[in-house]
Amino acid sequence: EVQLVRSGAEVKKPGESLKISCKGSGYSFTSYWIGWVRQMPGKGLEWMGVIYPGDSDTRYSPSFQGQVTISADKSISTAYLQWSSLKASDTAMYYCARSGASYWFDPWGQGTLVTVSS
Amino acid sequence: QSVLTQPPSVSGAPGQRVTISCTGSSSNIGAGYDVHWYQQLPGTAPKLLIYGHTNRPSGVPDRFSGSKSGTSASLAITGLRAEDEADYYCQSYDSSLSDLVFGGGTKLTVL
Repeated sequence: EVQLVRSGAEVKKPGESLKISCKGSGYSFTSYWIGWVRQMPGKGLEWMGVIYPGDSDTRYSPSFQGQVTISADKSISTAYLQWSSLKASDTAMYYCARSGASYWFDPWGQGTLVTVSS
Repeated sequence: QSVLTQPPSVSGAPGQRVTISCTGSSSNIGAGYDVHWYQQLPGTAPKLLIYGHTNRPSGVPDRFSGSKSGTSASLAITGLRAEDEADYYCQSYDSSLSDLVFGGGTKLTVL
């Protein structure tokens, strides 16, 4: 079974750094893109970026370029999403998902809730 | 405001057929980029329902179907059930924005 298992919920203060993870299993991790999607409270889905773990080719949404860093460690089948300095507006659910050739997302991880509050 | 426009809400009675539209433009759906549809049940992660306009992943009932015409796409749900009550999102690629884009989402209420 293809699965993406995310790291647990985080509560951080503004200005702090954070790195959340997403571990893939049940498929060839290096053969599919992994994407990250943000969902702010009560809002819709926003694509943040994707990474191809096979060669670490990374593409960002213009809306998130420079705001976050996406990386992957293929030796442990894990993708990461990180912030260097969190803001309150980063409070959201963050989903990772495997992505296919035409950028469909399937399956999705359960989501990591990030809360940024002073 | 998303470049893919969906109605905020639709509703239908059990057993009925409902459709959810996703209206784009010549830089996304009209340019031939694939449209995908997702179902998000309350409090859960989204689930792929339709990919490449019309294809259903294994395990998705054939009550769900997708179509595309010009700069728009549609998701149809027949034989509506209470468990279909969820948020539905379309997704495509926009060449003007160089961005993957999601529709704003449609809340389906089963009456």
